[in-house]
Amino acid sequence: QVQLVQSGAEVKKPGASVKVSCKASGYMFSDYGFSWVRQAPGQGLEWVGWITGYNGNTNYAQKFQGRVTMTMDTSTSTVYMELRSLRSDDTAVYYCARDNMVATYAFDYWGQGTLVTVSS
Amino acid sequence: DIQMTQSPSTLSASVGDRVAITCRASQSISTWLAWYQQKPGKAPKLLIQKASSLESGVPSRFSGSGSGTEFTLTISSLQPDDFATYYCQQYNSYLYTFGQGTKLEIK
Repeated sequence: QVQLVQSGAEVKKPGASVKVSCKASGYMFSDYGFSWVRQAPGQGLEWVGWITGYNGNTNYAQKFQGRVTMTMDTSTSTVYMELRSLRSDDTAVYYCARDNMVATYAFDYWGQGTLVTVSS
Repeated sequence: DIQMTQSPSTLSASVGDRVAITCRASQSISTWLAWYQQKPGKAPKLLIQKASSLESGVPSRFSGSGSGTEFTLTISSLQPDDFATYYCQQYNSYLYTFGQGTKLEIK
C-alpha cells in the first residue's frame, strides 16, 4: 500500500533552517511527483512547491522562492524540503503529498505531517 | 497567480441535508480542480479530481461539477462523518493554489 512517512517535529530559532524528509513506499517512486503543503495553526492549506520523482525538477510558489529547496534521493525513495531564514510565521504543519502530475494534478496520498515550530 | 475563492466560509447543516460548496477561479483552469476533506489533526483526503471524478473509495453522495472558472462540490445527503473542512485546489501552468476552505458544521 502507498505510504508517505515524514520526519518528526522540529523546533527552530528565527533565522535557522529546517529540513523535513518524506519517505515513500508501495509504488514506483519515479512515476509520480511530490508536492509540499503547509498549514499554519488554525489556518488553511498553502502550497509550497513540487518536485518530480522522475528527474528531480522543481517548481516553487513565488512566496517561497529563494528560501526553499526540494531534493530527492532515489536510492531511498525519499524527498526533502529545506526552508531557510525561518520566521515565526513559518510555524506550521508541513505535509508531503504524492502529486499525480501527469494525469490528474491532484494529491492522492499524504504524509502524516511534520510540525515545525519557530520560536526564540 | 490564479486565486481561488470558496464560498461559503462556514456552512451549518443537518444530517440528511443536501449541501453545495462553490469554488471560483480568477481565470479559467479547464477542469484541473480537486476537492479535499480535512478533519482536525489529520492530513487532507482527496475526494474528487479533474472537477468531477470521484476518487476510489469515496462515497457516491459526494459529487463535483464545473469547468472554466466555477466549480461545485455537492454532498447529496449529509452523514455525521461529513462534518469537516473542505478545500478546493487548482492546477495551472505548473503552479497550484488552494481555496481558503469551507467549514461544514452541524446545525
